[in-house]
Amino acid sequence: DAGVTQSPTHLIKTRGQHVTLRCSPISGHKSVSWYQQVLGQGPQFIFQYYEKEERGRGNFPDRFSARQFPNYSSELNVNALLLGDSALYLCASSLVPFNEKLFFGSGTQLSVL
Amino acid sequence: AQRVTQPEKLLSVFKGAPVELKCNYSYSGSPELFWYVQYSRQRLQLLLRHISRESIKGFTADLNKGETSFHLKKPFAQEEDSAMYYCALSGLYGQNFVFGPGTRLSVLP
Repeated sequence: DAGVTQSPTHLIKTRGQHVTLRCSPISGHKSVSWYQQVLGQGPQFIFQYYEKEERGRGNFPDRFSARQFPNYSSELNVNALLLGDSALYLCASSLVPFNEKLFFGSGTQLSVL
Repeated sequence: AQRVTQPEKLLSVFKGAPVELKCNYSYSGSPELFWYVQYSRQRLQLLLRHISRESIKGFTADLNKGETSFHLKKPFAQEEDSAMYYCALSGLYGQNFVFGPGTRLSVLP
């Protein structure tokens, strides 16, 4: 059984560009959440989606957006990239969004130059 | 505001010694508390959650609402316990997961 898969694994962008990160949840999982992890810190919650609807949003600017597709996969989009957006972006899936074990992907390492 | 603090960035203990990883939180309401672990070159994974009241790999954690703490304990540390440990909380319905900064546990032979 495949775990949570994220693509790409690494990405280099320049300031002002936009980026799309992708996540495929474990089969049967309907909830996907996104996290930003800056080196030396814990993951910071960005978005949670369940059944294609946004269920939660962290304290991130509107440059960050996401969506969930009918097959429950998800995309995270970041516009007008800043140097400070350089981080590891983690996706996690779960059966339902509450009181549930999160299964994490390996992440996408984004570097903004 | 929701917040999780883990006062120790690094904790080193000898094999066989007891270990306690501290976690304090602030949350308006009744949060769900979790401990996640990341072993070297592996993905972040759930270690335990307070609603299950379980012991995983010899680890336990007790929720103390009065002290707003959820410390992780193990009576006898093993070398394979060396990892990064994150305390986390969420709302009752899973919203707005908050992770602490993490504590790196190093178990020395």
